Amino acid sequence: GESVGLHLPTLSVQEGDNSIINCAYSNSASDYFIWYKQESGKGPQFIIDIRSNMDKRQGQRVTVLLNKTVKHLSLQIAATQPGDSAVYFCAEAAPDSWGKLQFGAGTQVVVTP
Amino acid sequence: DGGITQSPKYLFRKEGQNVTLSCEQNLNHDAMYWYRQDPGQGLRLIYYSQIVNDFQKGDIAEGYSVSREKKESFPLTVTSAQKNPTAFYLCASSTRGLAGGSEQFFGPGTRLTVL
Repeated sequence: GESVGLHLPTLSVQEGDNSIINCAYSNSASDYFIWYKQESGKGPQFIIDIRSNMDKRQGQRVTVLLNKTVKHLSLQIAATQPGDSAVYFCAEAAPDSWGKLQFGAGTQVVVTP
Repeated sequence: DGGITQSPKYLFRKEGQNVTLSCEQNLNHDAMYWYRQDPGQGLRLIYYSQIVNDFQKGDIAEGYSVSREKKESFPLTVTSAQKNPTAFYLCASSTRGLAGGSEQFFGPGTRLTVL
């Protein structure tokens, strides 16, 4: 079946560097994409989302890029801080999904001093 | 403050017992969802509800049951039929349940352990 997946299970980043987390999706019908951050033992927190009529969206220190041609989504975090250490999930939804999100497996980001 | 609450935070169950996890939201959201998360893995959808008095099975509904009698409440019962219920359970809600994707707001989760 179609699924959302991540390239790297663990990403180690030095404090102050930029982080890039990648996500591949296979459902070409998906038109909504979202990134969540989950700290240990807590519920996921919204980071940023993007719809398929856009290819880039920026938030505070974060940028999401969408490449529909190769079905690829990425999250860029600028000037990574220790508080950015967490698991990051991408998720997708198709127009007929009735609001359901299909989540990827997640990437663990570890920020080193 | 608006948000989603889940209770209890930790729950211990003996084998053969049914347990009910609470989820309440005061965001006036129509749609609510239950997910299961196992260690080091992503979220898997158990049940979802787009509107009061209606709910649908997700990808792993076997051994679980839900009800949606009120807009703000979506309790999940883990029955004795669930073979491996030990997991972290997350409840979420969103504004749009009858169309495409939108942000889901998550509760803090309930960690269920079967003794």
